[in-house]
Amino acid sequence: NAGVTQTPKFQVLKTGQSMTLQCAQDMNHEYMSWYRQDPGMGLRLIHYSVGAGITDQGEVPNGYNVSRSTTEDFPLRLLSAAPSQTSVYFCASSLGRGRTGELFFGEGSRLTVL
Amino acid sequence: AQRVTQPEKLLSVFKGAPVELKCNYSYSGSPELFWYVQYSRQRLQLLLRHISRESIKGFTADLNKGETSFHLKKPFAQEEDSAMYYCAPPSGSARQLTFGSGTQLTVLP
Repeated sequence: NAGVTQTPKFQVLKTGQSMTLQCAQDMNHEYMSWYRQDPGMGLRLIHYSVGAGITDQGEVPNGYNVSRSTTEDFPLRLLSAAPSQTSVYFCASSLGRGRTGELFFGEGSRLTVL
Repeated sequence: AQRVTQPEKLLSVFKGAPVELKCNYSYSGSPELFWYVQYSRQRLQLLLRHISRESIKGFTADLNKGETSFHLKKPFAQEEDSAMYYCAPPSGSARQLTFGSGTQLTVLP
């Protein structure tokens, strides 16, 4: 099992560019989420999904878009990158099914917006 | 919304000394509280969860509902415990795990 796989691991963008961070899991988890990690602020939830076709906003959703067309994939789109979106992004999944369970994390994607 | 406070951003202890990483939260609707750890160059992983009452790598965490705290403790710290630790109680919806800002623990030789 690969677990949670994120790509790319590193990316540099210019302000205004768009890009998609990919996330895939092979554990048949219902719940998937995206967090951003910033120094001194911990992990903040961007968007999450409780199943295919269902997404919802987290704490800091502005400037990001998600979709969940399959159980396995949960891409995060930056519509028009801004320097404030420079961060490390983590995708995570869990079994779900009505209760918060152990989250399994990807290795992270470090994004720099110039 | 759940608020999680980890008051120490940085914590240094000597090898063999006891260590306590503090976590306070605002919402106590669920017994599922977690501690996650991120070792250098590794992905975030679950360290322990309150509901299972287990001890992992010598760490335990006591839930104090009166103080709404879930401090992580280890009686004798080891150098390999050096890592970033995150406290994570769930929000009221149980769908959004809220993380504290983290405590970077350094265990000195």
